[in-house]
Amino acid sequence: GNSVTQMEGPVTLSEEAFLTINCTYTATGYPSLFWYVQYPGEGLQLLLKATKADDKGSNKGFEATYRKETTSFHLEKGSVQVSDSAVYFCALSDGGYQKVTFGTGTKLQVIP
Amino acid sequence: GAVVSQHPSRVICKSGTSVKIECRSLDFQATTMFWYRQFPKQSLMLMATSNEGSKATYEQGVEKDKFLINHASLTLSTLTVTSAHPEDSSFYICSARVNKYSGANVLTFGAGSRLTVL
Repeated sequence: GNSVTQMEGPVTLSEEAFLTINCTYTATGYPSLFWYVQYPGEGLQLLLKATKADDKGSNKGFEATYRKETTSFHLEKGSVQVSDSAVYFCALSDGGYQKVTFGTGTKLQVIP
Repeated sequence: GAVVSQHPSRVICKSGTSVKIECRSLDFQATTMFWYRQFPKQSLMLMATSNEGSKATYEQGVEKDKFLINHASLTLSTLTVTSAHPEDSSFYICSARVNKYSGANVLTFGAGSRLTVL
């Protein structure tokens, strides 16, 4: 079946540091890939997505590239801010979007 | 953009009582909604898929009689936790599938409901 593996957190960075959160996946067919963000006390929000190989999703300075050859979708940001502190979930869905499989989430803490 | 509203955001109840959580799509019609449960420091676990006008499809291991799902209209799905016990305490999140003009369907999530059973 489908699965998503994320690096364990928490990840603690200083403001303006470079961020990478690793995500790899296992899926049959050609899934779509997502990063969701969950701020404290809130639900999930879609951060970015990519629907086919070599697509790059980007939003709010975050980027992730769909790498089919390495089955990865790593999240990156060049300069994090305190307001980026949240839990980030990597996810995939197969055709039809009937089910979304989530990773375990990575908590990011950005300190001033 | 598409908005999913979930209510209540927090609820505390006594053991043995039932609690209803509502999930509404505010500016679009959602024929399909999904209910997830999030355990502390863990990922979201899909509980069931709610289809408007028909019975919900439950994931393996989820008790149908314990977690009653009703999707009576195109904008409302409800999850009722019956005879709640402390182990049912969790964060419950609903989502709805939104059709985008780009052709790529995405899910919009509610803000979640934190249930605490005493």
